[in-house]
Amino acid sequence: DSGVTQTPKHLITATGQRVTLRCSPRSGDLSVYWYQQSLDQGLQFLIQYYNGEERAKGNILERFSAQQFPDLHSELNLSSLELGDSALYFCASSARGQGTANTGELFFGEGSRLTVL
Amino acid sequence: AQSVTQLGSHVSVSEGALVLLRCNYSSSVPPYLFWYVQYPNQGLQLLLKYTSAATLVKGINGFEAEFKKSETSFHLTKPSAHMSDAAEYFCAVSKRQWNRDDKIIFGKGTRLHILP
Repeated sequence: DSGVTQTPKHLITATGQRVTLRCSPRSGDLSVYWYQQSLDQGLQFLIQYYNGEERAKGNILERFSAQQFPDLHSELNLSSLELGDSALYFCASSARGQGTANTGELFFGEGSRLTVL
Repeated sequence: AQSVTQLGSHVSVSEGALVLLRCNYSSSVPPYLFWYVQYPNQGLQLLLKYTSAATLVKGINGFEAEFKKSETSFHLTKPSAHMSDAAEYFCAVSKRQWNRDDKIIFGKGTRLHILP
């Protein structure tokens, strides 16, 4: 158990709809990362938050947005869904920057599998 | 900029044979290096990490990796493959000197198949 919790585990929806994926990081971790994993694209970095602030953006579509709340949980919002958005969405957390001994490895949740029909 | 190259998107070995998964990195500064494993329908979990102590790093499930600066490599090995090792393996690199927008860079992954 990594300590990172993601909900829901599975989600089936239709094209054009909007969904929200939720992530609770490990206790005490300030950094949250979102990744998309699909068969054709592999593991793609989407976005990173640190203590409520957006810190880095990757290959995140404009239809997608995220935020990190004061209690450090994060939500990834996917709107105007397309068939190609079907993928596994992972959240990871890290204690990077929280002490010189920390080497910044990521702890991953088990993912939310999104199927768009 | 940092990058990671994993040679071979698929590797097949027989049960009991040596496992060798290759990873080369590019970094202008001394890096931290990681190997992650992803079993079917699960998230990624850390196998091992190199942080600057010993260059030969031992991880979970009998895996180890050797940091070779001259070759910019961090190959993952296991002396004897087991059926339960079938999974996807990711090599990753990050900077030691951390800025808050730095992130871990992952390779494209290598899927390990174990033949009976």
